[in-house]
Amino acid sequence: DQQVKQNSPSLSVQEGRISILNCDYTNSMFDYFLWYKKYPAEGPTFLISISSIKDKNEDGRFTVFLNKSAKHLSLHIVPSQPGDSAVYFCAAPGTYKYIFGTGTRLKVLA
Amino acid sequence: NAGVTQTPKFRILKIGQSMTLQCTQDMNHNYMYWYRQDPGMGLKLIYYSVGAGITDKGEVPNGYNVSRSTTEDFPLRLELAAPSQTSVYFCASSPPRQGSADTQYFGPGTRLTVL
Repeated sequence: DQQVKQNSPSLSVQEGRISILNCDYTNSMFDYFLWYKKYPAEGPTFLISISSIKDKNEDGRFTVFLNKSAKHLSLHIVPSQPGDSAVYFCAAPGTYKYIFGTGTRLKVLA
Repeated sequence: NAGVTQTPKFRILKIGQSMTLQCTQDMNHNYMYWYRQDPGMGLKLIYYSVGAGITDKGEVPNGYNVSRSTTEDFPLRLELAAPSQTSVYFCASSPPRQGSADTQYFGPGTRLTVL
């Protein structure tokens, strides 16, 4: 019973182009969502979040879009840079616990 | 602040051995968590704690034990190591939820191999 799903295990994008990472969820009661970024041999680090009362949140090159009717969120990275190559996890909080998707490995090609 | 620190970074165990993965945070966070990440998989919650003296099981607790005697420390114990416990283990902490600004802070991970 995966409440947060990332259906694309990997994505390759040319440097300078847009990267779009997708995440679907099943629980309409989630009140916010987060994206984490993970480099090899490091722990995940927080990237950006969005409240369920918003449909967009932007932070520099990173924008997260939320479509509540479709129970879908996406992370846009524009322009993509080689340093963005990492695994990206979407997550949603439960009462005490966080629920993570399986991650999407982004590779930005120079 | 050092944030969340984990020791050791790497460990190889033989089947049946035991060990303790150490986790310490210096941010005075009430909540602490242990996750494991298997290759190609997401993070799975093993145990979590909402404060000193309080722990609870996560999604995959079998084969593990935890304790939380202080706010800072949250060790994870493997009593009888099995090959299925080969994984990367992450400890994390977070403050109590106060809205969308809350996030988890992760340690660098411990890579464990059981042979």
